[in-house]
Amino acid sequence: GAVVSQHPSWVICKSGTSVKIECRSLDFQATTMFWYRQFPKQSLMLMATSNEGSKATYEQGVEKDKFLINHASLTLSTLTVTSAHPEDSSFYICSASYLGDTQYFGPGTRLTVL
Amino acid sequence: DAKTTQPPSMDCAEGRAANLPCNHSTISGNEYVYWYRQIHSQGPQYIIHGLKNNETNEMASLIITEDRKSSTLILPHATLRDTAVYYCIVRVRDAGNMLTFGGGTRLMVKP
Repeated sequence: GAVVSQHPSWVICKSGTSVKIECRSLDFQATTMFWYRQFPKQSLMLMATSNEGSKATYEQGVEKDKFLINHASLTLSTLTVTSAHPEDSSFYICSASYLGDTQYFGPGTRLTVL
Repeated sequence: DAKTTQPPSMDCAEGRAANLPCNHSTISGNEYVYWYRQIHSQGPQYIIHGLKNNETNEMASLIITEDRKSSTLILPHATLRDTAVYYCIVRVRDAGNMLTFGGGTRLMVKP
């Protein structure tokens, strides 16, 4: 149990385009979902926290207009990277939890912006 | 959340027990100890968590000292597939409480 999926697993896009990443909890209801970013040889850094039906809470330094997060249902959250640039290239990982319980992570999405 | 301290790297022989230490001397009474691991280019995998008592599941055992200031994750029979970065994190079990990842311990299991 406690499976979280992400789609796509990797994406390559041109600079200036937008990319949407989906995060799904497959066998439990995710009242809270988290989005992390990981650069090479670094640890995970939290970008934002979203509760179902509410606006996401962004960490300091993360541009909310650039990284649009939607958590419209208890099983789906999306992260849209708008007007992507090469510096946005990274490994994006979501996690999900139910009412503060253990967080389970997705497999990650590797974004490369050319 | 309380900060944790872990050795940056460890080696372990295949088939032997891997004992990964973690110090969390400022842990609060309502903070749990969580362990995750991240295999290269994958999302973190939940291993185990505990509050006061020792815990065991199919993956590992978690030993928490009586004063709760440190803990040890034990992989009883390490395999090459256990090579990963292991993160020890303490957190309150609150709905919005995120995980704060430190540097973790890079465990290398060698044949």
